[in-house]
Amino acid sequence: DIQMTQSPSSLSASVGDRVTITCRASQSINRYLSWYQQKPGKAPKLLIFVASSLQSGVPSRFSGGGSGTDFTLTISNLQPEDFATYYCQQTYSPPLSFGGGTKVEMK
Amino acid sequence: EVQLLESGGGLVQPGGSLRLSCAASGFTFSSYSMGWVRQVPGRGLEWVSAITGGGNSAWYAVSVRGRFTISRDNSKNTLYLQMNSLSAEDTALYFCAKEPAKSGSGFDYWGQGTLVTVSS
Repeated sequence: DIQMTQSPSSLSASVGDRVTITCRASQSINRYLSWYQQKPGKAPKLLIFVASSLQSGVPSRFSGGGSGTDFTLTISNLQPEDFATYYCQQTYSPPLSFGGGTKVEMK
Repeated sequence: EVQLLESGGGLVQPGGSLRLSCAASGFTFSSYSMGWVRQVPGRGLEWVSAITGGGNSAWYAVSVRGRFTISRDNSKNTLYLQMNSLSAEDTALYFCAKEPAKSGSGFDYWGQGTLVTVSS
C-alpha cells in the first residue's frame, strides 16, 4: 500500500502570507494526487486534482505542483477563510490513502 | 445540485453490525464511482472503500477488508456500507463521497457524515 506523508503537521501564518505544504508518497504515483481543505465540523472540500488542476470554484491563490513522489500545495496571499486543515490523497492505486493533514493556524 | 445524505449511524456494541446508507441526488448516480471515507473526531481522514458506477468492482482499506462490504442500488440512487464485526477502532464519522467522471481525480462532492460509535 502507498503511504502519504505530509509536512509540516501544522504551521502558523498571517493574512497575506505565502504558504507551502508538502506531500510525499512512498512510491511514484505519477500525478494522481488530490488536495482537500477541511474546516471544523465540515466535510472536506476538493481544491486540486491530478496534482495541479484547480477544482471549479476554487480561488486561483491555491496552486498545486509536483509529480512522482513529491508534491506541493501553495496558498499565495493567505486569506482569513483559508485557516483550515489541508489533506493530500493519492488517487493512483487503491487503497486511496490520505496524508496526515496540515493545520494552518493564524499567527 | 449534487446532494449526498448519509444515514444509519449510531451506537453499536463491539462485535455488532451496522449498515450505512447514502442517498444521492442531483446527478446520474449510476455513472459515477462512489466511496466512503471516515474520520475519528479530531483526527485525520481515512479512506475506507470505493465502488465503480456499475457496482462491478470494489476496493477496501486493509483495516476493514473482510468485515465491511460496499454496495449500491442504482435504481434507488443509494450507496451502502455494511459493517460487521465492529470494534472501538471503527468509531468515526463516516462520509459518503462522489468521484468525478475522470478516474483518479479524488472526491468532488461529500456528504456531511454519519457518526458511528462502537462501545459497550
